[in-house]
Amino acid sequence: DQQVKQNSPSLSVQEGRISILNCDYTNSMFDYFLWYKKYPAEGPTFLISISSIKDKNEDGRFTVFLNKSAKHLSLHIVPSQPGDSAVYFCAASQYGNKLVFGAGTILRVKS
Amino acid sequence: SQTIHQWPATLVQPVGSPLSLECTVEGTSNPNLYWYRQAAGRGLQLLFYSVGIGQISSEVPQNLSASRPQDRQFILSSKKLLLSDSGFYLCAWSPTSSPGNTIYFGEGSWLTVV
Repeated sequence: DQQVKQNSPSLSVQEGRISILNCDYTNSMFDYFLWYKKYPAEGPTFLISISSIKDKNEDGRFTVFLNKSAKHLSLHIVPSQPGDSAVYFCAASQYGNKLVFGAGTILRVKS
Repeated sequence: SQTIHQWPATLVQPVGSPLSLECTVEGTSNPNLYWYRQAAGRGLQLLFYSVGIGQISSEVPQNLSASRPQDRQFILSSKKLLLSDSGFYLCAWSPTSSPGNTIYFGEGSWLTVV
């Protein structure tokens, strides 16, 4: 049972444009959501997170939006840069419990 | 600041041989420790996690085992590797009192079983 789903295996975006990565979840008890970025042959690095008490969190070019009623979150990257090309993992947890990861979305930013 | 290291970075092992991957965390005490695997084209699968010395929880039945002999050391082992054990293994840690269970990953270890 996939509790966290990233339905788009890949996304291609032109440099300077907006990248939107999507994530859906099924467990309404999740109260904390994270995005990780992973380059090939490296460990994932924490990117940005959001608590369920918020609907938006911003950090520089990265913004995460949470729609609890739709059980949906998204990561916006504006403007996209070639160095943003990586695999992005969405993750969710219920306080005190382990993270559940999505399958990842490969982002390619074309220059 | 906290750091996490795992080794070796890459290894090629024959089927039936043993495995030992090591991971250490510096700059923190009593961390939660994790082993994940990323198989080719797939997401991150949690294999083991530990909340303290000698305390190991297994998430999936498999050919692997984990041990935590010291507070900041986590070891992934196998007595006899299978071809299906090939993949990218990641050690990770989180603070004991993490508000949202943010975890931090090591550099990863590529295992190819031949």
